[in-house]
Amino acid sequence: GQQLNQSPQSMFIQEGEDVSMNCTSSSIFNTWLWYKQDPGEGPVLLIALYKAGELTSNGRLTAQFGITRKDSFLNISASIPSDVGIYFCAGPSAYSGAGSYQLTFGKGTKLSVIP
Amino acid sequence: DTGVSQDPRHKITKRGQNVTFRCDPISEHNRLYWYRQTLGQGPEFLTYFQNEAQLEKSRLLSDRFSAERPKGSFSTLEIQRTEQGDSAMYLCASSLKGQLGVGYTFGSGTRLTVV
Repeated sequence: GQQLNQSPQSMFIQEGEDVSMNCTSSSIFNTWLWYKQDPGEGPVLLIALYKAGELTSNGRLTAQFGITRKDSFLNISASIPSDVGIYFCAGPSAYSGAGSYQLTFGKGTKLSVIP
Repeated sequence: DTGVSQDPRHKITKRGQNVTFRCDPISEHNRLYWYRQTLGQGPEFLTYFQNEAQLEKSRLLSDRFSAERPKGSFSTLEIQRTEQGDSAMYLCASSLKGQLGVGYTFGSGTRLTVV
């Protein structure tokens, strides 16, 4: 079935360091979404990307839609303790047709920030 | 509180019992989604409602699962004859008409443990 592969699975960084994580797929996506999930909470949308090559920022977060449309990356600059959580990429499910609202999520990258 | 509310937050049940979860979406949101999240995985789509109409169902939604959204307001997800494999976090999300994934607000989820 359709899979989104996220790497790394987990990472430990020092406060103040920059972070980079990515997401790849075997199929083409028209939309890439990046979410963050805190423990015991639902995911929260960070950035949405709609066009190949698009680079979008949200504060210290920057995400890019790969030109092959099969990958995306998320960068976090100058990490702080509240950046701790699990970051998911997501996109429209391959099982969905036009007008579908199914999202497929990756397995996530777990980020730990050491003060 | 104007967020998505899910009840209960935690449920422990014996195998073979039936369970029902409730989701109260943001009041003006006409779209409602159910996702399931197991440990170490991203959320997986289960079903989607637009107003009271159930428009999409995942192949994950076996005949033991049923979801309703009477009157297009709150929704319930029922699992009959629970199995240990049903243990997961069940997430509800709602949105207004718009782009896929954008404007989704997830609830904090119901964590189900089947013993």
